[in-house]
Amino acid sequence: QSALTQPASVSGSPGQSIAISCTGTSSDVGSYNLVSWFQQHPGKAPKLMIYEGSKRPSGVSDRFSGSKSGNTASLTISGLQAEDEADYYCCSYAGSTTFVFGTGTKVTVL
Amino acid sequence: EVQLVESGGGLVQPGRSLRLSCAASGFSFDDYAMHWVRQVPGKGLEWVSGISWNSGSIGYADSVKGRFTISRDNAKNSLNLQMNSLRAEDTALYYCAKSMVRGVTNNCFDPWGQGTLVTVSS
Repeated sequence: QSALTQPASVSGSPGQSIAISCTGTSSDVGSYNLVSWFQQHPGKAPKLMIYEGSKRPSGVSDRFSGSKSGNTASLTISGLQAEDEADYYCCSYAGSTTFVFGTGTKVTVL
Repeated sequence: EVQLVESGGGLVQPGRSLRLSCAASGFSFDDYAMHWVRQVPGKGLEWVSGISWNSGSIGYADSVKGRFTISRDNAKNSLNLQMNSLRAEDTALYYCAKSMVRGVTNNCFDPWGQGTLVTVSS
């Protein structure tokens, strides 16, 4: 159960689009369409932004979108806003009723 | 409004036990799987354990298997985590999270509680 690999940091200017990658293996990301993404502001609990690869929970802005290619999933934030500055974590089902999180990415709005 | 309130954290010596609880309200507790996720302050998230709506399916991270036991009491809308043989590396903020589905094999954890801090130290 090794953590999924994410870039430590990603930055962008307001209005720009950024993408955060999440690289796993054929045993987790590559095998299941069960990648979710969580946003965490400092001192707060994580918040679900994307589940089952590309679905958005009710109330989440359509500026957030998810995709997957092979063993790598991606979260794209379009029209970047100051409130999007936070830590982002991916999570994948890893089989045998287990899950693995990513290493986390700090998004900075310049 | 869905509310999840964790309790039971605290300072405990290595090798001892601790029992965490999560009180749920605002939804039909017995219709959803539940999970525990932990986070060392300032570090990343680690999934710990999950339990299906009827306790029929349970999963554990390798790091806690054999030491931690998850359970739920649907009559009391409560999720529990019995933690035995605690180690320094178990020190973390423990979150309980509601799933959006009954089964335990989906990571649509939404929402999360505010967490309870467990510190394992002599």
